[in-house]
Amino acid sequence: EVQLVQSGAEVKKPGESLKISCKGSGYSFTSYWIGWVRQMPGKGLEWMGIIYPGDSDTRYSPSFQGQVTISADKSISTAYLQWSSLKASDTAMYYCARRSGMATVFDYWGQGTLVTVSS
Amino acid sequence: SYELTQPPSVSVSPGQTARITCSADALPKQYAYWYQQKPGQAPVLVIYKDSERPSGIPERFSGSSSGTTVTLTISGVQAEDEADYYCQSADSSGTYYVFGTGTKVTVL
Repeated sequence: EVQLVQSGAEVKKPGESLKISCKGSGYSFTSYWIGWVRQMPGKGLEWMGIIYPGDSDTRYSPSFQGQVTISADKSISTAYLQWSSLKASDTAMYYCARRSGMATVFDYWGQGTLVTVSS
Repeated sequence: SYELTQPPSVSVSPGQTARITCSADALPKQYAYWYQQKPGQAPVLVIYKDSERPSGIPERFSGSSSGTTVTLTISGVQAEDEADYYCQSADSSGTYYVFGTGTKVTVL
């Protein structure tokens, strides 16, 4: 069974750093792209970026380029999303999702990680 | 940038048909996909490649495409279909992904 399990909720202060994780299981982690999606409170889904764990090829949405860093450790089947300096506007639910093979669709999703940034 | 526009809301009575449109501002487009998201839950794929239905998704969900617009149709709407629905596609190179603005379906 394909599963993406994300790390738990985080409460941080502005200016702090953060790295959240997404662990894949039940499939060949290095063979599928993993994407990250932001959902701000009461708002829609926004694609942030995507990584191919096999070779760490990474693409970012222009809206998020330079704002976050996406990485992966294939030895432990885990993808990451990190911030070097959080802002209150980073408060959101963050989902990881697996891209299905050659199609540009996200077929399996993590349960989401809620990040709250508040002073 | 590539944008997908959906109506903010659709209201429908139980047993009736709900249609949700998703209009792209540019072509050519990749296939479109539809996700259902209920409150407090992660999105779930309900339609892929414009009109294909994943296993486990009820037959009342269907998709179609015409020109720059794709449509999700829910026939015989049930109370459990009340949710937010998002279309999604990618740019012509398949490098950059985009979600639609989202539609809240309310079952009256």
